[in-house]
Amino acid sequence: GENVEQHPSTLSVQEGDSAVIKCTYSDSASNYFPWYKQELGKRPQLIIDIRSNVGEKKDQRIAVTLNKTAKHFSLHITETQPEDSAVYFCAARINNYGQNFVFGPGTRLSVLP
Amino acid sequence: NAGVTQTPKFQVLKTGQSMTLQCAQDMNHNSMYWYRQDPGMGLRLIYYSASEGTTDKGEVPNGYNVSRLNKREFSLRLESAAPSQTSVYFCASSLYSGSSYEQYFGPGTRLTVT
Repeated sequence: GENVEQHPSTLSVQEGDSAVIKCTYSDSASNYFPWYKQELGKRPQLIIDIRSNVGEKKDQRIAVTLNKTAKHFSLHITETQPEDSAVYFCAARINNYGQNFVFGPGTRLSVLP
Repeated sequence: NAGVTQTPKFQVLKTGQSMTLQCAQDMNHNSMYWYRQDPGMGLRLIYYSASEGTTDKGEVPNGYNVSRLNKREFSLRLESAAPSQTSVYFCASSLYSGSSYEQYFGPGTRLTVT
């Protein structure tokens, strides 16, 4: 089955710096890759996603890149702010009936003022 | 529009007790999911329902059962709770379509089994 790895598990950056989180997946049939942000004690919320027919997608300070050949995708946050501090999860959708998703273990991002 | 709602928010059970976690969505989504979240392990899929009337096992189904009561509601039952089932449980829903795969999560249920 699909396996999603995520690195690093924790990341600390200074406010204004960039942050990069990388995920790898094992199933070449996976075709949709979302990123979720979860603040302490709250529910995960989608921040950006990318489909397998696209190499890069950007939304203001957040971007995601996908390398299908290497089976990895990355989240890039520029000009980080303290409110970006949270746990970030990547996921991969298995291309089968029912939209089965597999999540990475998460990255705890701390933005230091 | 409440989105995805879950009850209860918190629950403490003794080993061997049973309970049902309730989930409802008002977004007319086809697919619904139950996840558990343990520290350092991300979200793991317990069961999902691609559409009304169907359910399938996810990564960690042992010890759980589900019911897709109708399009809106998807419940998770623990028949005989064990300490290993102490976790935060999230229900989610999504519109199964070619244009949208986004999952919307409920607020979660924090379950402790003693």
